[in-house]
Amino acid sequence: QSVLTQPPSVSEAPRQRVTISCSGSSSNIGNNAVNWYQQLPGKAPQLLIYYDDLLPSGVSDRFSGSKSGTSASLAISGLQSEDEADYYCAAWDDSLNGRVFGGGTKLTVL
Amino acid sequence: EVHLEESGGGLVQPGGSLRLSCVASGFTFSSNAMSWVRQAPGKGLEWVSTISGSVGSTYYADSVKGRFTISRDNSKNTLYLQMNSLRAEDTAVYYCAKERGAVALAIDFWGQGTLVTVSS
Repeated sequence: QSVLTQPPSVSEAPRQRVTISCSGSSSNIGNNAVNWYQQLPGKAPQLLIYYDDLLPSGVSDRFSGSKSGTSASLAISGLQSEDEADYYCAAWDDSLNGRVFGGGTKLTVL
Repeated sequence: EVHLEESGGGLVQPGGSLRLSCVASGFTFSSNAMSWVRQAPGKGLEWVSTISGSVGSTYYADSVKGRFTISRDNSKNTLYLQMNSLRAEDTAVYYCAKERGAVALAIDFWGQGTLVTVSS
């Protein structure tokens, strides 16, 4: 059972928009930055969004992040087949004094 | 260009020890916090440990506290993870990861990982 809760899977058609939610608590998302990672099959994770809503250089602006209270979301617009991957949210947890990850969401582009 | 290369993984018996290394290049190693994150086969990401950039403060997941030790040698641009009293549930790919700053605010680069298998 992960500290941060994500849906196990989402699916959407190409060129559509999908959102992935990440639910936490006041000790993690509510008080610390949320980061999102994309893990393509067989590859190491890559940073997608940092500090809630910032895009690293080189990451497509089809990806965006937001946060409200103790929940965060990752949105992907203009879905492409290459977006099929596992997506993870993460945040520091003040109560655990450590980083926590969501359980991951598998995105399928139909 | 940032590069992180892990080594030291392999097959070890339950109760045994292993030391992972991660050689970093392409950035000022001493300025950044560094972390280890693992991923069991077919499972999600699990944070293991973080060491801060300058002061060298260390943080551990409860699942490894007392058994694993993170350390760094800034003169060699190398991060370590000493793993003792290994258990079957420690079997995973272990990723070395660079933090964006001197503390654990965001992992912005990952190595390719090294596989640790704990089995008799």
